[in-house]
Amino acid sequence: AQKVTQAQTEISVVEKEDVTLDCVYETRDTTYYLFWYKQPPSGELVFLIRRNSFDEQNEISGRYSWNFQKSTSSFNFTITASQVVDSAVYFCALGVSGAGSYQLTFGKGTKLSVIP
Amino acid sequence: NAGVMQNPRHLVRRRGQEARLRCSPMKGHSHVYWYRQLPEEGLKFMVYLQKENIIDESGMPKERFSAEFPKEGPSILRIQQVVRGDSAAYFCASSPNRGNEKLFFGSGTQLSVL
Repeated sequence: AQKVTQAQTEISVVEKEDVTLDCVYETRDTTYYLFWYKQPPSGELVFLIRRNSFDEQNEISGRYSWNFQKSTSSFNFTITASQVVDSAVYFCALGVSGAGSYQLTFGKGTKLSVIP
Repeated sequence: NAGVMQNPRHLVRRRGQEARLRCSPMKGHSHVYWYRQLPEEGLKFMVYLQKENIIDESGMPKERFSAEFPKEGPSILRIQQVVRGDSAAYFCASSPNRGNEKLFFGSGTQLSVL
């Protein structure tokens, strides 16, 4: 069975601060995929990134960066120079390869509040 | 290319009524998935459908819940005799192929049961 833990329930930062959202996952599958989604107050789920288990390179997209560490089963997400528009709930999710690949296991989310 | 369309965005029902949630997948996508988000929880998988077929309904409650994806028209998630515990956000996702490579979510339907 798969499991995703986002230990931080809520985080508040002041605008322009950097913030890291933690994600720890558990799976026995050797091929799997990790996702981050953003859910702003309007409710929709916005896809941010999908990373496969064979690619441990860190990724940067603008102010967003992701640190994938297989050794610690973590896939952390950092927002640099946070902005008010970053305020949202962020979900980390895990999907496996093969049968059942369509079932994503989500963490409970981290609510980020960026204070102006 | 329009995204995954869900309607209504908000649905209010009284206990015992029926709720019907609709999902139109992205153009070219023939695989539809329904997820439920209870308050302060992550999303949980409910059911996976292809056109006219239910592939996996392992996440669906055994009673009162059903889903379909007809040859023509949107996918429908139907909840009969709703109870307060059904209040949640219901998200639909679609993909062109089976799997999670390109999985796009709609904006969800917030169901409130009075």
